[in-house]
Amino acid sequence: EPEVTQTPSHQVTQMGQEVILRCVPISNHLYFYWYRQILGQKVEFLVSFYNNEISEKSEIFDDQFSVERPDGSNFTLKIRSTKLEDSAMYFCASSERDGGNTIYFGEGSWLTVV
Amino acid sequence: AQKVTQAQTEISVVEKEDVTLDCVYETRDTTYYLFWYKQPPSGELVFLIRRNSFDEQNEISGRYSWNFQKSTSSFNFTITASQVVDSAVYFCALSGGWETSGSRLTFGEGTQLTVNP
Repeated sequence: EPEVTQTPSHQVTQMGQEVILRCVPISNHLYFYWYRQILGQKVEFLVSFYNNEISEKSEIFDDQFSVERPDGSNFTLKIRSTKLEDSAMYFCASSERDGGNTIYFGEGSWLTVV
Repeated sequence: AQKVTQAQTEISVVEKEDVTLDCVYETRDTTYYLFWYKQPPSGELVFLIRRNSFDEQNEISGRYSWNFQKSTSSFNFTITASQVVDSAVYFCALSGGWETSGSRLTFGEGTQLTVNP
């Protein structure tokens, strides 16, 4: 069964460092997403991406975050200068279409900022 | 704004008991979609079901069943004859339809289900 894959599964980084989280969405999907889950809390939407541009972003997704689809398969989330409060599980997700289509999640990348 | 409320933070049952996880939602959209996801201890989010606002038929899949009631804005999830492997956090989520800005999911706080042997 096709799945969303994410790397790394766990990363520890120093505060102020840049981090890139990588994802390979399901191959025939057109919409890509990043969500975040701080330990013990609910899952929060960060950004959606379609046709090589951001289609929607939340208030969490400020200037220190960026997303990119550098080639035909990868989708990345960059955090420019990490803060302690960026420590969380980051989920990449994809869906075939928009408008309520089922969103499939990867296994997550656990980011620890020290 | 959309909102999902899962009032039960934690539920603990003994194996083979039936358990119902509650989900109440708020939305102004006439077309919307409801989801349940399972998050086992390993951390991934596993899709369980998707329902659109026009389809109020209850659904059964093995030991899982879902009761969608538009009149009470609820989408409850029942596990029949629970098993230890059902232990996980369960999230209810809501997204808009074509009328709104897209399919961003709004999640509830989650219910931690523990099934004891």
